Amino acid sequence: NAGVTQTPKFRVLKTGQSMTLLCAQDMNHEYMYWYRQDPGMGLRLIHYSVGEGTTAKGEVPDGYNVSRLKKQNFLLGLESAAPSQTSVYFCASSRRMNTEAFFGQGTRLTVV
Amino acid sequence: QKEVEQDPGPLSVPEGAIVSLNCTYSNSAFQYFMWYRQYSRKGPELLMYTYSSGNKEDGRFTAQVDKSSKYISLFIRDSQPSDSATYLCAMKVDTGNQFYFGTGTSLTVIP
Repeated sequence: NAGVTQTPKFRVLKTGQSMTLLCAQDMNHEYMYWYRQDPGMGLRLIHYSVGEGTTAKGEVPDGYNVSRLKKQNFLLGLESAAPSQTSVYFCASSRRMNTEAFFGQGTRLTVV
Repeated sequence: QKEVEQDPGPLSVPEGAIVSLNCTYSNSAFQYFMWYRQYSRKGPELLMYTYSSGNKEDGRFTAQVDKSSKYISLFIRDSQPSDSATYLCAMKVDTGNQFYFGTGTSLTVIP
């Protein structure tokens, strides 16, 4: 059981570079989420999706874009990375609206 | 005011102690309450999940929800060094799409 898998696990970017983080889940979950986790700030929602082809903004969406072309995948893009985007990014998925979320192992991103 | 408040700790207890972790919240519409455990450099994993008020027990863990006080607790009995982790509370409204997380409490259980 893979659950939620994030790729890559670590990345260092230079300011202004772009990258895409990939999240894949094999639980046939409808809902998928991208969070960032920073010291003292907890988990903050960036974007989420309630189904294939849908996306919505969360608490801190600026500087990020997402796509959900396939039900099992949720991509997070940074078009022009900034040092403020240095963080640990977590993807999560849940079966439907009122069920618990399952998390991936995280991607540690450093922007220099 | 943040939706969910959680004391970050750190909390350090001897092995075998009873641990009490707490969160307060401001949104009376929250109906779903969760506790996640996060080991260092790992993703959060679900520990307990409760709906509305009341208690739920699972082995050494007990989750309590007091909606009148907007207060939830997680109790760990006979704490073990393997319980050393950060504990995150999370909440959700009945028809909402988003989870609201506390900042986490860091717990260390000393052998």
